[in-house]
Amino acid sequence: AQSVTQLDSQVPVFEEAPVELRCNYSSSVSVYLFWYVQYPNQGLQLLLKYLSGSTLVKGINGFEAEFNKSQTSFHLRKPSVHISDTAEYFCAVTIVLTGGGNKLTFGTGTQLKVEL
Amino acid sequence: GAVVSQHPSRVICKSGTSVKIECRSLDFQATTMFWYRQFPKQSLMLMATSNEGSKATYEQGVEKDKFLINHASLTLSTLTVTSAHPEDSSFYICSAINRQGVYGYTFGSGTRLTVV
Repeated sequence: AQSVTQLDSQVPVFEEAPVELRCNYSSSVSVYLFWYVQYPNQGLQLLLKYLSGSTLVKGINGFEAEFNKSQTSFHLRKPSVHISDTAEYFCAVTIVLTGGGNKLTFGTGTQLKVEL
Repeated sequence: GAVVSQHPSRVICKSGTSVKIECRSLDFQATTMFWYRQFPKQSLMLMATSNEGSKATYEQGVEKDKFLINHASLTLSTLTVTSAHPEDSSFYICSAINRQGVYGYTFGSGTRLTVV
């Protein structure tokens, strides 16, 4: 079975500073990887996803992530954060299946708090 | 893009009553829908997976008689919390996928259930 580890439960950062949110996964087969953002009392919004191809994935709101198969990582980065980026971020993984439809496994989340 | 509508966004019910939550895919056919539960400041816990026209597959530890899931059409899935108790109070989120086009999961905006 696949699993996801987000080691940082909270990441405080000053506005306009760069940030990296770490995500490591474990799986014996090929995976698809996702990053989602959740604002209070809301559902999840997709930031970006890795399915195949280029290992550097660009998403919405200036975020990007790099898939590193040898290190089984998919860290999320943003070069300059804004107050509005304050939210909970979830990394998720699913195994590659023909036809899709497999469940997502989520990490425990990282609370990004951007301060002035 | 793909949109999933979830209703109601908030519901308060009395202990012992049942509550139905709807999840609709607005502009695509959702071959598979997932129901998650999220406790405060925690990650999403998958409750069940439902495919259109068939019985839902429940995760270990989830009471299927308490959390009734119906996926009667390609655009609608419902979760009914039967004989609700205060410990069922939580944030419930649905997600839908479509095998056509880009492979991805779209989430509803969530339902905050409070049982008093």
